[in-house]
Amino acid sequence: DVVMTQSPLSLPVTVGQPASISCRSSQSLLHSDGNTYLNWFQQRPGQSPRRLIYEVSNRDSGVPDRFSGSGSDTVFTLRISRVEAEDVGIYYCMQGTHWPPVTFGGGTKVEIK
Amino acid sequence: EVQLVESGGGLVRPGESLILSCAASGFTFSDHSINWVRQAPGKGLEWVSSISSTSTYKHYGGSVEGRFTISRDNARNSVYLQMNSLRAEDAAVYYCARGSCIYGDCYDYWGQGTMVTVSS
Repeated sequence: DVVMTQSPLSLPVTVGQPASISCRSSQSLLHSDGNTYLNWFQQRPGQSPRRLIYEVSNRDSGVPDRFSGSGSDTVFTLRISRVEAEDVGIYYCMQGTHWPPVTFGGGTKVEIK
Repeated sequence: EVQLVESGGGLVRPGESLILSCAASGFTFSDHSINWVRQAPGKGLEWVSSISSTSTYKHYGGSVEGRFTISRDNARNSVYLQMNSLRAEDAAVYYCARGSCIYGDCYDYWGQGTMVTVSS
């Protein structure tokens, strides 16, 4: 199974400041079809996960443009350009290239300083 | 509006069984795979099972293989997860999520979850 490793575990951020979360996979996520199936999810306290980014860098409808994804191969990053209070929650990366199983990172908790 | 609504969770004793349901609306259900993902209290997300749009393909995580069975009824827009021989470590919130990554709808919508508690 592909192991997804996120860092940091916890990310205290001041409102208005940028934030960056790293996700590394144990093998390349480039699929034979040419796509890279790396998603990012946000889970606010008490809520279900919500997909923010699919295929590395594509923002879902309704996701603010302060969220962006980048990366390739085994190294990926989720960036928040200016953190807002509503961004508090746990962020997960997920790979769907080598499945079953899809696998998730352990999560990064974003909190406001 | 796409909606997924889970139900069927509850408190069971170790070794007992439970059936979870996921009712879908707002999209052409028979065109999409459906997945179950669980989250133990205070823990991360763990994929449990997936079923393809026509039930041709079913997959299970290693920790539930042989104990859980996924099925769907496209006429009722529903997916089910039959959970047998439940263990304490199966206690979690169970979410259903739509999609299959190679078909472009990779876990794009999730339900609100249903909680399963396993305790004697």
